[in-house]
Amino acid sequence: GAGVSQSPSNKVTEKGKDVELRCDPISGHTALYWYRQRLGQGLEFLIYFQGNSAPDKSGLPSDRFSAERTGESVSTLTIQRTQQEDSAVYLCASSLGVQREFYEQYFGPGTRLTVT
Amino acid sequence: AQSVTQPDIHITVSEGASLELRCNYSYGATPYLFWYVQSPGQGLQLLLKYFSGDTLVQGIKGFEAEFKRSQSSFNLRKPSVHWSDAAEYFCAVGPSGGYNKLIFGAGTRLAVHP
Repeated sequence: GAGVSQSPSNKVTEKGKDVELRCDPISGHTALYWYRQRLGQGLEFLIYFQGNSAPDKSGLPSDRFSAERTGESVSTLTIQRTQQEDSAVYLCASSLGVQREFYEQYFGPGTRLTVT
Repeated sequence: AQSVTQPDIHITVSEGASLELRCNYSYGATPYLFWYVQSPGQGLQLLLKYFSGDTLVQGIKGFEAEFKRSQSSFNLRKPSVHWSDAAEYFCAVGPSGGYNKLIFGAGTRLAVHP
């Protein structure tokens, strides 16, 4: 079946502009995660959605970052007033749930964001 | 603080040679442990995971990893490397209870010489 998809694959924006990144999880996956991967670094957790529970936003680096998820489907990550330090690959992942047997996260190909 | 350390940024091996990638973690309790591989232009793929039980776990593509609680390590191994194994490898830890908020290491980039 289809995996996690993300769009756009690449985004170049000017400093100060807002950007919106989209993630389509695997159908039926209740949990959705956003991560950021800066050049040469590992992934940083940003935000987590699980069903209708309140999202865990503890990883969002500033109030310029926000994310929404419609039910158990599409999620959008919005970065307002982009800064050069926001340049990174933004990865989305989904999993069936959070119990151990559903623990595996499936990652999308990422959106490469470049802020000029 | 919770953290994952991958001491080797780059490793180069010859095709057919054995491989060991190191991973050390700092975590308050026994975590769940993972190795992911990221090939150029592709998303992360799970190689293997450890939850509990046998400390030697087998994964896909001929990889295995051993959990050593006393050393807080979860090193990845492969007895004979193939050119197609060239990629970036990430070790990650997650809580054994609650949801799967993974903490990743900075990655080890593997190059394979023919």
